[in-house]
Amino acid sequence: NAGVTQTPKFQVLKTGQSMTLQCAQDMNHEYMSWYRQDPGMGLRLIHYSVGAGITDQGEVPNGYNVSRSTTEDFPLRLLSAAPSQTSVYFCASSYGIGLSGNTIYFGEGSWLTVV
Amino acid sequence: GQQVMQIPQYQHVQEGEDFTTYCNSSTTLSNIQWYKQRPGGHPVFLIQLVKSGEVKKQKRLTFQFGEAKKNSSLHITATQTTDVGTYFCAGPGGTALIFGKGTTLSVSS
Repeated sequence: NAGVTQTPKFQVLKTGQSMTLQCAQDMNHEYMSWYRQDPGMGLRLIHYSVGAGITDQGEVPNGYNVSRSTTEDFPLRLLSAAPSQTSVYFCASSYGIGLSGNTIYFGEGSWLTVV
Repeated sequence: GQQVMQIPQYQHVQEGEDFTTYCNSSTTLSNIQWYKQRPGGHPVFLIQLVKSGEVKKQKRLTFQFGEAKKNSSLHITATQTTDVGTYFCAGPGGTALIFGKGTTLSVSS
């Protein structure tokens, strides 16, 4: 199993550009999520999905869109990149939602710089 | 909303010293999970605690869940350079897992 795969690993964007961070998992997990990690801020939830066709906002959703057309894929779209979106992004998946206590598996991260 | 707080934010120790990080939730938790993130890496699951007062050990790591299920701790005995990284606790909140901000441990030999 590859686990959770994120691409690209590194990306530099200009302000105003759009891009998509790809995330795929091969563990047949229903629950997928995107976090961003900034120094001193821990892991903050951007968007999450409890299954194909279902998405919801997390703590910091502004400026990001997601979709879940299949169980395996959960792409994160930056609509118009801003320097404040410079961060490390982690995709994660688990069998169930957080309440059930299922372990979350993280991708290796995507380092994004917006100039 | 629910908050999960961790202290300290940073800790530097000499190799061989002990280390403890504390996690406190604003609400009672059904369970708590601990993750470790090595520098430049991604968070990796360490353990889950479910029962009130539960204590679990993994070699030099001891995890405790408070009697009221609102706090938890991770204690490392005789730290090694391989323990370097950020340790996160996380508790369920609604339909997502809420992470603390983490404790970053550095170890000098």
